[in-house]
Amino acid sequence: EVQLVESGGGLIQPGGSLRLSCVASGFTVSSNDMSWVRQAPGKGLEWVSLIYSGGGTYYADSVKGRFTISRDNSKNTLYLQMNSLRAEDTAVYYCTGYISGHPYWGQGTLVTVSS
Amino acid sequence: EIVLTQSPGTLSLSPGERATLSCRASQSVSFSYLAWYQQKPGQAPRLLIYGASSRATGIPDKFSGSGSGTDFTLTISRLEPEDFAVYYCQQYGSSPWTFGQGTKVEIK
Repeated sequence: EVQLVESGGGLIQPGGSLRLSCVASGFTVSSNDMSWVRQAPGKGLEWVSLIYSGGGTYYADSVKGRFTISRDNSKNTLYLQMNSLRAEDTAVYYCTGYISGHPYWGQGTLVTVSS
Repeated sequence: EIVLTQSPGTLSLSPGERATLSCRASQSVSFSYLAWYQQKPGQAPRLLIYGASSRATGIPDKFSGSGSGTDFTLTISRLEPEDFAVYYCQQYGSSPWTFGQGTKVEIK
C-alpha cells in the first residue's frame, strides 16, 4: 500500500528556517516524480516544488531561491528545506508522489510563520 | 506555465441533480495528465480522477472525467449530500505543475 507521511511542521518566526520530511512506503521515491503542494488558510491549492525521477527540480516563483527540494534514497524520504520564511508561507504542506501517472497524497503538515 | 481555469466558480444544485464542472487549460496538457480532487473543510484533498478519465480506487462511478488537450470535464451524475464540497483540477504533464482555482458545489 502506498503511503506518504509528512512531518516537521510547526510555528516559526519570520526569517527562520524549517525542514519538512515525507517518508514514503509502498514505492520508491527515487523512481518516481515527487512534489510539494501547499494550501494557505481559506485559500486554494498551490503547487510549490517538484523533483523528477531523473533528478531535475522545479520551483514556484513564490519560493524560488528560498526553498530546496531533495530526497534521500536510502531513507526513501522526500524533503523540503524552507529558508527565509515569510508570513505568506503559512499553510498546510502536502507531499505528493506520482506513480505511473497516478497521484498519491499525504495528510499534510501545518507550517505557521508568525512572531 | 499552463493556467487552468475552472468554471463555474460556484455551482448551486439540489441533491439528485447532475453536476458538470469544467477545467480549461491555456495549453495542451501533456499525456492527459489531468487530475480532479474533492476537498471538504479541514480535510486533505481526495483524489477522484487521474489521467483525465481514470477513477481512483474506491471512487464511486457517479464520478466521471472526460476530455483531452485543453478541455476537461468532471461530471457527478446524481448529487448526494456528501458530494457538496470544493473541487480542484490539476495538470501534472509539464512543469510547473498547476491547479485550477476551484469550483464550489453548494446546496441550492
